Amino acid sequence: ETGVTQSPTHLIKTRGQQVTLRCSSQSGHNTVSWYQQALGQGPQFIFQYYREEENGRGNFPPRFSGLQFPNYSSELNVNALELDDSALYLCASSLGSGTPQETQYFGPGTRLLVL
Amino acid sequence: DQQVKQNSPSLSVQEGRISILNCDYTNSMFDYFLWYKKYPAEGPTFLISISSIKDKNEDGRFTVFLNKSAKHLSLHIVPSQPGDSAVYFCAASANDYKLSFGAGTTVTVRA
Repeated sequence: ETGVTQSPTHLIKTRGQQVTLRCSSQSGHNTVSWYQQALGQGPQFIFQYYREEENGRGNFPPRFSGLQFPNYSSELNVNALELDDSALYLCASSLGSGTPQETQYFGPGTRLLVL
Repeated sequence: DQQVKQNSPSLSVQEGRISILNCDYTNSMFDYFLWYKKYPAEGPTFLISISSIKDKNEDGRFTVFLNKSAKHLSLHIVPSQPGDSAVYFCAASANDYKLSFGAGTTVTVRA
């Protein structure tokens, strides 16, 4: 039990639609990172937010966007869904500014299927 | 571009024996390495880490070894227990916020 929750657990969308995934971090965790895990692969870093500002991004297009709120919740938004967006989406929170030495606490993920 | 590789997708080991998981990386800028463990329907949980200034780090039954010249690290679990059955991910960082993960190794501990 990491104290990080994600909703919904599963979601089915069709190509071209938009989706919002939600994450609730542990209280006091200032940093949240989002990862995409395709089937048979490891998690891939999408972006990181620190105190409501994006402070780092991986190789994902701008149609992947996020928000972090003062109440330690955050969102991942994906526009114009493509079939390859089908994956498990994980959020992870940490106490500090998001350095690798800080322990990241992962949620159980949202499984997105794009048809 | 897979910068962290776990070439063994699965490993089966008898309870009480040693489990050895391997990980190779290509980016010479990586200086911090982590292992995560994942049970079904749960998120990955941090297991152990090592900085590039060390070649070994131990925590109970878990030991991570780093060979910088070979760009290789390994995780040893001794003795293996049934609760160790999980997917293990190797991850690396180049002193920034971005973690690069391998594809994972599924460990099954047989009674």
